[in-house]
Order: sequence, then C-alpha cells, then structure tokens
Amino acid sequence: DTAVSQTPKYLVTQMGNDKSIKCEQNLGHDTMYWYKQDSKKFLKIMFSYNNKELIINETVPNRFSPKSPDKAHLNLHINSLELGDSAVYFCASSRWQGRGTGELFFGEGSRLTVL
Amino acid sequence: TQLLEQSPQFLSIQEGENLTVYCNSSSVFSSLQWYRQEPGEGPVLLVTVVTGGEVKKLKRLTFQFGDARKDSSLHITAAQPGDTGLYLCAAAQHYTGTASKLTFGTGTRLQVTL
Repeated sequence: DTAVSQTPKYLVTQMGNDKSIKCEQNLGHDTMYWYKQDSKKFLKIMFSYNNKELIINETVPNRFSPKSPDKAHLNLHINSLELGDSAVYFCASSRWQGRGTGELFFGEGSRLTVL
Repeated sequence: TQLLEQSPQFLSIQEGENLTVYCNSSSVFSSLQWYRQEPGEGPVLLVTVVTGGEVKKLKRLTFQFGDARKDSSLHITAAQPGDTGLYLCAAAQHYTGTASKLTFGTGTRLQVTL
C-alpha cells in the first residue's frame, strides 16, 4: 500500500499545453509539498500546504497552480507548458513540526517532458 | 550560491572501498537530515542529526554533525553496489511565521561497482 502516490509517472506533452499531476498520501500527515528536481538532480521546493492552507510559495511562475481539496491530496496544475518545465516533480508529505521540519515522505516522482 | 554545498558531486568506487561525503554551509542549523535517492524513486530519509558533534551509525554508514552545526559528513565503510544512489543532505530554513521549509543540498552521486 503506497504511502505517497502520484500520477502520472510519466508525462510527455507539447509546449503550450496544460497538464495536471495528482498526489495522494495515506499517512495521515497534515503537510504536503511539491518539489522540482532538475536535470542536475537539484531538488527545490515549490509549494507547501498545511491543512489545505498554502504556507510556502517559492518563486514559481504563476503558470503553476497547486490545489489541495483535502489534507490527503495535493494536485499541481501547469498552464502553457514551456521547455524549461521539463523535470521530475515530487510530491511529499510530513507531520507539521513548526520551526523544524520532520521526515519527508516522497512519492516516486512524475517525469514531465515538454517537447 | 547554494545554501548546502555537497562534495564530491560524483564518486565512482569499487566494492569494498571506503568513502566520505561532505555537506557544508555557512549557516547554523537546528538539525540536518540525510536522504538517499535511487533511480526512478523519491528520496528516503536515512538519518536526522540534531546535536553539534553528534555521531549516528546506520550499519556501515556513519553520520556526523559538525560541532558548530554548520556541516555534516557521511562515511560509508566497505561500500557495496546496493549503496549506489544520490545522497542528499537537507536542513530546515525558517520561511515565515511558524513555517519552515526543507532545503536540499547539491547532491552526491555515488556509484559502486563490483
């Protein structure tokens, strides 16, 4: 039973299209994240939600819009895809720990390729 | 400039060798985590170090947190092919209010061959 699951695992699309990646966690965590991993394997936070409330919003183009319908789900919608959006997107979850962060549990990643 | 610099970036060694990976910063952290990521998967937590000078062991892996809590090292003894992967250090940074974000290091790719 997968703890953090994201779909699709692979996504190939044309520039200018709109696409979504879905994420679900069954760990009972109250905090969820989206991270982007580039071709050099650098992992950078994009967004974080705590109890459906957006708490971290890094410098990300507004073409990226996260949505958290409930604590167990965090989806990522991307409009007008660009070549530079090609990357692996990771969803993660954790217990809320205030000033420190606890262990992050990651999904398997969604590899987005924009042609 | 990255908050957490790891070295080396790449390491290719033979089975049985020892190695050390470093994670350095000019900032002080309340804690630091190490993750390992295998191809096609997400990172998985190996250890969290909290106290300056702390040493933690996980089988053949030894983690140390610097006395000043600005740096950390990961030492692997007698590396095995199963140790192959991307090793990432990570530390919490205050974001706003009570929110913190986990910032990852630049990564060290380790390949262990027979």
